[in-house]
Amino acid sequence: DTGVSQDPRHKITKRGQNVTFRCDPISEHNRLYWYRQTLGQGPEFLTYFQNEAQLEKSRLLSDRFSAERPKGSFSTLEIQRTEQGDSAMYLCASSFIAGVSADTQYFGPGTRLTVL
Amino acid sequence: KNQVEQSPQSLIILEGKNCTLQCNYTVSPFSNLRWYKQDTGRGPVSLTIMTFSENTKSNGRYTATLDADTKQSSLHITASQLSDSASYICVVSVRGAGNMLTFGGGTRLMVKP
Repeated sequence: DTGVSQDPRHKITKRGQNVTFRCDPISEHNRLYWYRQTLGQGPEFLTYFQNEAQLEKSRLLSDRFSAERPKGSFSTLEIQRTEQGDSAMYLCASSFIAGVSADTQYFGPGTRLTVL
Repeated sequence: KNQVEQSPQSLIILEGKNCTLQCNYTVSPFSNLRWYKQDTGRGPVSLTIMTFSENTKSNGRYTATLDADTKQSSLHITASQLSDSASYICVVSVRGAGNMLTFGGGTRLMVKP
């Protein structure tokens, strides 16, 4: 396994268009997280899944953002009607957690979105 | 509000020198604290993770300390190398919140020859 992968690595789109990003976690990891990172800032939590269940989505930036993990493996993050303020790096991370132990999150390389 | 503050924002040191990065947090209830290294254009990579009862943890030339009473942590880098040039991000996990992470803004370290 080569780690968390994300596709595409870069996306340029026009304002108002919809975009979808994909994340493939490390196999057998049950947790999957999405973050957004703007230049010079630390990542900002968006949402996470345990298996196929989305356990926290109140941090999604607006109702234009949605995420799915239909089979508990890969996940997609969709942004509808993109705005210039959506331009950022979108990071995915995965981990394996059992019980209440701390988990190490392994990050993917990110998808850099530019909205023109 | 849960916050993680890091200092300095940026730092330039000469190769071979040591440096210490600081992290203060107000996250509660505290679960654990992590330090990540992030190279430009790449995802963060975990360096250390410490729970409430751990005061120090090392990973090669990286040594992290944690004072849970004062809610402070530091990352000490020994004998810096050019490859240490990156952003170092302090991350605190909230207990009982699905291990949701709160990230600091990072310290951008540049190591010069």
